[in-house]
Amino acid sequence: AQTVTQSQPEMSVQEAETVTLSCTYDTSESDYYLFWYKQPPSRQMILVIRQEAYKQQNATENRFSVNFQKAAKSFSLKISDSQLGDAAMYFCAYRSQGGSGTYKYIFGTGTRLKVLA
Amino acid sequence: GAVVSQHPSWVICKSGTSVKIECRSLDFQATTMFWYRQFPKQSLMLMATSNEGSKATYEQGVEKDKFLINHASLTLSTLTVTSAHPEDSSFYICSARLSVPNSPLHFGNGTRLTVT
Repeated sequence: AQTVTQSQPEMSVQEAETVTLSCTYDTSESDYYLFWYKQPPSRQMILVIRQEAYKQQNATENRFSVNFQKAAKSFSLKISDSQLGDAAMYFCAYRSQGGSGTYKYIFGTGTRLKVLA
Repeated sequence: GAVVSQHPSWVICKSGTSVKIECRSLDFQATTMFWYRQFPKQSLMLMATSNEGSKATYEQGVEKDKFLINHASLTLSTLTVTSAHPEDSSFYICSARLSVPNSPLHFGNGTRLTVT
């Protein structure tokens, strides 16, 4: 069974600085998808970034980028120029390729990010 | 696009009663929806996968008779917590995905259930 591990329960970053959140996963599949979701105090889950396992190029979305190391099964999230609005719980998620619609999403335990003014 | 609406946002009920939570995909059709439960400061735990027109697939340890899921149309799935007890108090979140390979999950805004 696939597992997702986020080893940092909490992280802090100074406003305008850069922070990296780590995520590792375990799978025997070769095709899958990885996601980072953000959950602010409102508790609405918001997609931050996604990565297809077959793509070697790291995904980037504005200030957010990932470092995807497939062999190491590592998928870290880098937030540049941190803003106060980035403060939230961040979840790493794994999605199998699935078959006949049998997709399953597995979430890590989350990292709480604090942004210091 | 890809908006998921969940209702109600919060509900308080008495022990022994049943509560229904609705999850709607507003601008897309969702053949599959997922129901998650989140305890305070914890991750999302998948409860069940709701499939339109067929029975839901429950995760191990989730009581199907207690958490009734109905997915009667391509835009609506409901979760009914039957004979609720205080230990059922939690945050419930539904999600859905578009029918394209790389679609992420789109989440509802969650329902805070408190059983007194």
